[in-house]
Amino acid sequence: DTGVSQDPRHKITKRGQNVTFRCDPISEHNRLYWYRQTLGQGPEFLTYFQNEAQLEKSRLLSDRFSAERPKGSFSTLEIQRTEQGDSAMYLCASSFRDRAFFGQGTRLTVV
Amino acid sequence: KNEVEQSPQNLTAQEGEFITINCSYSVGISALHWLQQHPGGGIVSLFMLSSGKKKHGRLIATINIQEKHSSLHITASHPRDSAVYICAVRSNYQLIWGAGTKLIIKP
Repeated sequence: DTGVSQDPRHKITKRGQNVTFRCDPISEHNRLYWYRQTLGQGPEFLTYFQNEAQLEKSRLLSDRFSAERPKGSFSTLEIQRTEQGDSAMYLCASSFRDRAFFGQGTRLTVV
Repeated sequence: KNEVEQSPQNLTAQEGEFITINCSYSVGISALHWLQQHPGGGIVSLFMLSSGKKKHGRLIATINIQEKHSSLHITASHPRDSAVYICAVRSNYQLIWGAGTKLIIKP
């Protein structure tokens, strides 16, 4: 149990549908990251929050992707009009000082 | 050429052996992370380094900023150390990841 919870663990959706994932970080962690990992690759950075402020967004994050972290607690990642290329594992991590903890991820399959 | 290169890609060793995994990078960094990913996707941060050497139990991580190189060592390896070990560097607020080293420790 890493302490970072992600929901759902698996999501199968039809192309064109919207999906939303949730991440609950470890409570005292002020930094929260979203990553995407495709099979055989290392995680790719998507976005980063410090408390409720979204400080950095990757160029990978097209306008179909949006992330929020209201009140600096849990975060949501929404993908609109999903495409087959969005199929991946979406990982959330939270950190405090020099330690980061990852959730188990949400595996998205777009059919 | 990837900005972060790890070697070896795969490593199989016997229980008790001393393990070394290497990471070289070509970008300017503010920090380097070593992470462990178990089957099923769970990732744990092992170390964050900006200089020198850190030790945690049987794990030792070193970094040479001038040579842009870091190593992760495991002493007295154990089958439970079997996992993918990933090197990631922080550059301009992003983490650039290596492809990982798959380690298998046989009893």
